[in-house]
Amino acid sequence: DGGITQSPKYLFRKEGQNVTLSCEQNLNHDAMYWYRQDPGQGLRLIYYSQIVNDFQKGDIAEGYSVSREKKESFPLTVTSAQKNPTAFYLCASSNGGSEETQYFGPGTRLLVL
Amino acid sequence: GQQLNQSPQSMFIQEGEDVSMNCTSSSIFNTWLWYKQEPGEGPVLLIALYKAGELTSNGRLTAQFGITRKDSFLNISASIPSDVGIYFCAGRDSGGGADGLTFGKGTHLIIQP
Repeated sequence: DGGITQSPKYLFRKEGQNVTLSCEQNLNHDAMYWYRQDPGQGLRLIYYSQIVNDFQKGDIAEGYSVSREKKESFPLTVTSAQKNPTAFYLCASSNGGSEETQYFGPGTRLLVL
Repeated sequence: GQQLNQSPQSMFIQEGEDVSMNCTSSSIFNTWLWYKQEPGEGPVLLIALYKAGELTSNGRLTAQFGITRKDSFLNISASIPSDVGIYFCAGRDSGGGADGLTFGKGTHLIIQP
């Protein structure tokens, strides 16, 4: 099946710990995105990558880091500098072009212990 | 940056009723997308619109790209219990920025049997 996978479904973080959320896509999309969703809120962009080995900060990048070493993979690390990490994290990829469509993974819920 | 106003924020309807929700933007958009999100899951694309005036259907769902390019609406006819969820609009402005989509805050649809 073609699509976007995220793992784990649930993730628990201890104080001062860095955690990494996985995102993989087999849609052959160049662009990938990370969003944060808080209850009752829309989606806020954390980081995005238009091509391998390149990525840009979104609106709320502080306390997060990413890498894009492979086209299929765009992992997100939530660092200890992110003081309020509890949220639902969504990864997406896009086909680009004039008729762009963005597809989402199933999400990872991060909770702080 | 651009803003999207999505309304209503929530809807409480009876099964079988028709539903209408809309989004308006502060700038001209060249893409409108409508998604549905169920609890604990990622948003699923329902309808994509790329041309002003375009009217597109997907089963009982119909969406239109406003002719001013600053609005879009989504209609659901004869609602059923599985329509429950949060519906998001998303768009990309005519500037064609690489930083992903702008999202509305969602319409919560609740159906009373």
